[in-house]
Amino acid sequence: GAVVSQHPSRVICKSGTSVKIECRSLDFQATTMFWYRQFPKQSLMLMATSNEGSKATYEQGVEKDKFLINHASLTLSTLTVTSAHPEDSSFYICSATFGGLGSSYNSPLHFGNGTRLTVT
Amino acid sequence: AQTVTQSQPEMSVQEAETVTLSCTYDTSESDYYLFWYKQPPSRQMILVIRQEAYKQQNATENRFSVNFQKAAKSFSLKISDSQLGDAAMYFCAYLGLYSGGSNYKLTFGKGTLLTVNP
Repeated sequence: GAVVSQHPSRVICKSGTSVKIECRSLDFQATTMFWYRQFPKQSLMLMATSNEGSKATYEQGVEKDKFLINHASLTLSTLTVTSAHPEDSSFYICSATFGGLGSSYNSPLHFGNGTRLTVT
Repeated sequence: AQTVTQSQPEMSVQEAETVTLSCTYDTSESDYYLFWYKQPPSRQMILVIRQEAYKQQNATENRFSVNFQKAAKSFSLKISDSQLGDAAMYFCAYLGLYSGGSNYKLTFGKGTLLTVNP
């Protein structure tokens, strides 16, 4: 079964509103989470990396005030798209792992099933 | 900057035949991890195979194997005895530190769309 639950799977919202996407690890402590955006027929573009209890590290070009990432607990990270616009419509995917990422890293990376966001 | 390059946007293979998907990457790090992921139309990310850079032995998982050439920074995926269910988008991914940074990142190539012909 799924070890990372991402919710909602689909959401439609009106322009100007905010949408929260949850990524929850079900049976492990997610010390690190990655958030991605994927346009149709394109690759996964890394938006930010978050470590539990720390501020997220955003990739260049990603507006941190628009895409708020919170990783307050070891089992939950959220991505909030604030004041959404039609150009924010996309597929968003989270990935979670546990254990320190280093030379001894041997933990699996688990992906959520993604959230399709449509902004009208 | 670290980049992952997949030079084959599309590939096709006959059922039961073998196909190789290419991936190269650029890094100045010595410790990192490489992955191949499969993404079917459902968009679920499915791990195909994983390789630790410090391991010289090429990873294998049943019909899937890699040719990891660390010096050449090449990480190709070979699919043997291709099956119809192998048809999907395949992404090569790199997990490691970035130059001058202290955070690990997981970044993906642009993908190769694999078609399996019956």
